[in-house]
Amino acid sequence: SQQGEEDPQALSIQEGENATMNCSYKTSINNLQWYRQNSGRGLVHLILIRSNEREKHSGRLRVTLDTSKKSSSLLITASRAADTASYFCATDAGRGSTLGRLYFGRGTQLTVWP
Amino acid sequence: GAVVSQHPSRVICKSGTSVKIECRSLDFQATTMFWYRQFPKQSLMLMATSNEGSKATYEQGVEKDKFLINHASLTLSTLTVTSAHPEDSSFYICSASIGGATEAFFGQGTRLTVV
Repeated sequence: SQQGEEDPQALSIQEGENATMNCSYKTSINNLQWYRQNSGRGLVHLILIRSNEREKHSGRLRVTLDTSKKSSSLLITASRAADTASYFCATDAGRGSTLGRLYFGRGTQLTVWP
Repeated sequence: GAVVSQHPSRVICKSGTSVKIECRSLDFQATTMFWYRQFPKQSLMLMATSNEGSKATYEQGVEKDKFLINHASLTLSTLTVTSAHPEDSSFYICSASIGGATEAFFGQGTRLTVV
């Protein structure tokens, strides 16, 4: 299975603190994406990082990718209570894989306390 | 960004009945759509890849006769859960990709409860 692990499974922090989530995967990829899911809702795309990129920023989000270790991290800086959600990484299956076909990690439940 | 609409958002049905879930791409044409299933507090599991005008491709372990997928147009894919049982209760989410793009856009999901 391509699905990897994410850690921590749950993270609880205070507003203003930074939150770091990690994701590992098993096979080669073309890109890795991070999604956010509020409880019982659909997924919102946060950021995509390609296999030839090592770091990417979007607002308060910073994503890193280490293809040699098959791992990625998502950093949310200056967290807000509204950031409370589950965060998932998702990968494709590498060369020749169907575009849009994704394999998800288990997710990290982030709780940000006011 | 592109919008994917999923309907219904919630459905409760009796055991033995069938339920149809629709996934529509509202402002783009999606040659490929994907169906996922999510159990509480767990990850999304890819069920099948739906291709317009052809048969769906199911992931290993997913019963194609149980989960019927139809992709009749470039903007609509449907998932029918046939002869539903309580163990089919789950959150079902669809996604669609624009040709040539790697990003997938997700619907809001359907909470199915079989009683």
